[in-house]
Parts: sequence; C-alpha cells; structure tokens
Amino acid sequence: QTVVTQEPSFSVSPGGTVTLTCGLSSGSVSTSYYPTWYQQTPGQAPRTLIYTTNTRSSGVPDRFSGSILGNKAALTIMGTQADDESDYYCALYMGGGVWVFGGGTKLTVL
Amino acid sequence: EVQLVQSGAEVQKPGESLKISCKGFGYRFSSYWIAWVRQMPGKGLEWMGIIYPGDSDTRYSPSFQGQVTISADKSISTAYLQWSRLKGSDTALYYCGRGAGNSISHHVDYWGQGTLVTVSS
Repeated sequence: QTVVTQEPSFSVSPGGTVTLTCGLSSGSVSTSYYPTWYQQTPGQAPRTLIYTTNTRSSGVPDRFSGSILGNKAALTIMGTQADDESDYYCALYMGGGVWVFGGGTKLTVL
Repeated sequence: EVQLVQSGAEVQKPGESLKISCKGFGYRFSSYWIAWVRQMPGKGLEWMGIIYPGDSDTRYSPSFQGQVTISADKSISTAYLQWSRLKGSDTALYYCGRGAGNSISHHVDYWGQGTLVTVSS
C-alpha cells in the first residue's frame, strides 16, 4: 500500500522561511502525481493552496510556492506569518480517481 | 459563487444506516467530480472516493471499497455518502469537495463545511 510521507511537525519563526516536504514510502514524487497542498486550521474545512506541483489557487499569497525538490514535492512558505500556523496536507494522485493524502504537517509559528 | 453545502451533524447507533448529502450551488453540478474525504477525530485527511454526477461514474479508494456507497442525483445537484451498517470507527468528520474540472485527476478546489457523524450506543 502506498504511503505518502510528511514531517509530523515543524516550527518556524515569524518572518522566516520553511519548506515542508511530501514523499513516497517507495519511489520518487514527480509532477505526474499532480502534487497538491491543502491548508487546514482547527475547526475549518481544508483550503486548497497549491495544485499540479506549483500552481497557486486563487487568492493564495505568492509567499506560498510549490516545487519538486529531489525525490519529493515541497511547499515553501516565505515571510511566515502567525496565521500560517495550520496543518498542511499534501495529496498525490495515484490514478483511477484515487488520491492519497500524507499524514499532515503541523506548522507552529513561534 | 461556487458553494458546497453539506447536511447537518448526525448521531447514530452502531448497526444503523445513514446517508449524508452534499449540495452544489453556483456551477453546473453534473460536469464536475465530487469527492468524499474522511477526517477521524484528531487525525488527518483520508480520500474515500469520487463520483461524476453526469454519469454516476464512481471510484473508491481501496480502503473504503465495500464500506460505503457514493451516489449522486444530478437533477437536484446533490451527492451522497451512505453506510448500510455503521460502526463506532465511522465516527468522523466527512467533507465533500469539488474536482476542479471534468477530468478525474483534478484536485479539489472547493470544499463543503463538513458533516460530523457520531456513532455511539
């Protein structure tokens, strides 16, 4: 069974830059998996941030960016703000209408 | 404005059946896939399955195949997620989401507000 891996938690200082990653238990993440990043704050529905590796959804600030770094997908947040403190989930498309989410990264801004 | 409005919270007993809904507004409902995603208490997101309301083509994640049924009624712009026999482990928040286009591989661009299902005797 395919497992999508993410860092369980990450800390960043206000104004700093953080890169979260999204990998596969076996194999490399490529653009063919259409890596997508979602942000979820407690008590809220997810919000789509980045899709097809590096395309920002409407209204998402340009300090959020997506890329492939080595064998993983990556979400980079520059100039981190207090309200960026959220859970971040990546999702990879496995084909046949099936996506798999990573376990999520809890980002703390302190 | 695109909106997905889900039915309200449910409290059910183990063994009972349940059907929750997701109604789309502000777009041509039959032309976009609808996905269902589970979030168990304190846990992450899990992809359950997806349906194309235009022709009811439905795909399930292997983990949910046979455990739930996804359906849609395009005449009333509504998708459904149902259980025939609930278990305590079905207690979770369930989200519907709209695929960004008519391709099955599109990401979710709009999300419903979530439906909390509690299964307890």
